[in-house]
Amino acid sequence: EAGVTQFPSHSVIEKGQTVTLRCDPISGHDNLYWYRRVMGKEIKFLLHFVKESKQDESGMPNNRFLAERTGGTYSTLKVQPAELEDSGVYFCASSQGFTSGPSGEQFFGPGTRLTVL
Amino acid sequence: DQQVKQNSPSLSVQEGRISILNCDYTNSMFDYFLWYKKYPAEGPTFLISISSIKDKNEDGRFTVFLNKSAKHLSLHIVPSQPGDSAVYFCAARNYGQNFVFGPGTRLSVLP
Repeated sequence: EAGVTQFPSHSVIEKGQTVTLRCDPISGHDNLYWYRRVMGKEIKFLLHFVKESKQDESGMPNNRFLAERTGGTYSTLKVQPAELEDSGVYFCASSQGFTSGPSGEQFFGPGTRLTVL
Repeated sequence: DQQVKQNSPSLSVQEGRISILNCDYTNSMFDYFLWYKKYPAEGPTFLISISSIKDKNEDGRFTVFLNKSAKHLSLHIVPSQPGDSAVYFCAARNYGQNFVFGPGTRLSVLP
């Protein structure tokens, strides 16, 4: 079974440009999460989808970030316009359930390293 | 305002010895805790978990201890192996909410 995949693995853009990150969750996982890790600090929650609906987007930094999950399958995270402080590694994760215990275990993708110059 | 803290950014241990990674949290409402392991250029992978109704959970070489009164948990790896060298993240959650992660501790197991 394929794991969570993310594209691209790396992206280098200039300040003011737009970047779109993609995440394909594990097939059958209704829950999809976006996280960001900046400069070796903690992995910070951005938002959580249940199927195509945004369950919790309390971690989104500002309105330059837009996440979508078309048809409850893959998800995209767009940053427009990108700023220097947006640099970091963006992780996507998926889970079958959302409760504690094995069904709530989140499987992470390898991340997209975004560098904004 | 960091709710989950891992105060040791790095730890070095000799192969075969015990590795102890520590994690402190501030939110007394957290009821479920996880440890994740991360290798370079990979995403974090789930390692072991513990519910707040327990004080210990063991899985092979890995044991997690939870001290609710101290708001502290620790991960013990015995015996440590070179393949355990990775960054370890502690994560916690209040039921129905999303996980809060710590900044990670980089473990180096020396042969």
